Amino acid sequence: EIVLDQSPATLSLSPGERATLSCRASQSVDTFLAWYQQKAGQAPRLLIYDASNRATGIPARFSGSGSGTDFTLTISGLEAEDSAVYYCQQRRNWLTFGGGTKVEI
Amino acid sequence: QVQLQESGPGLVKPSETLSLTCSVSPDSIRSQYVTWIRQSPGKGLEVIGYIHNSGSTYYNPSLKSRALILLDMSKNRLSLHLKSVTAADTAVYYCAGGAGNFDPWGQGTLVTVSS
Repeated sequence: EIVLDQSPATLSLSPGERATLSCRASQSVDTFLAWYQQKAGQAPRLLIYDASNRATGIPARFSGSGSGTDFTLTISGLEAEDSAVYYCQQRRNWLTFGGGTKVEI
Repeated sequence: QVQLQESGPGLVKPSETLSLTCSVSPDSIRSQYVTWIRQSPGKGLEVIGYIHNSGSTYYNPSLKSRALILLDMSKNRLSLHLKSVTAADTAVYYCAGGAGNFDPWGQGTLVTVSS
């Protein structure tokens, strides 16, 4: 099973700042990695797929990068509504999620 | 856009079978996969399995054959059956479109396993 390690566990930032979230895989997942946003009391929502492609309707301030084992989700110009837990997920070998990073604004 | 909604009992007794339904609207699920995912404080997000419109299914090996996903295309819905449940199966259960990237998701339904 491919294990995804997300860091940091919590990120506290101010509106307008940039958030950089990391996801590290225990083995290569090529670019088969997605990012999701989960707000309190809601289901997760797909943000990024295949490492760097924004899903439909996702604002341009969300961007993804990386390949192999190291990936980054960047949120530029944080807004209050971006407070959430963010998860990475791989589909290279079965389907597994990381433990999440909580972003507090 | 396709929407999904889970339904089923919120409380199941240990050793019994957990059964949930996912209704897909407004169109049928003829063109996509649907996946069952659960979320618990202890295990985080975990994929249970998914089904193709052909009826083919794929399950998480860690569930040790306890899971069964069935499709009723005439009613635009699918079901999840998880047998021999324990407290560790307490979670919010989601159905979601797709089998690699999950979009969209249902709102989820909380299932508690307790006597």
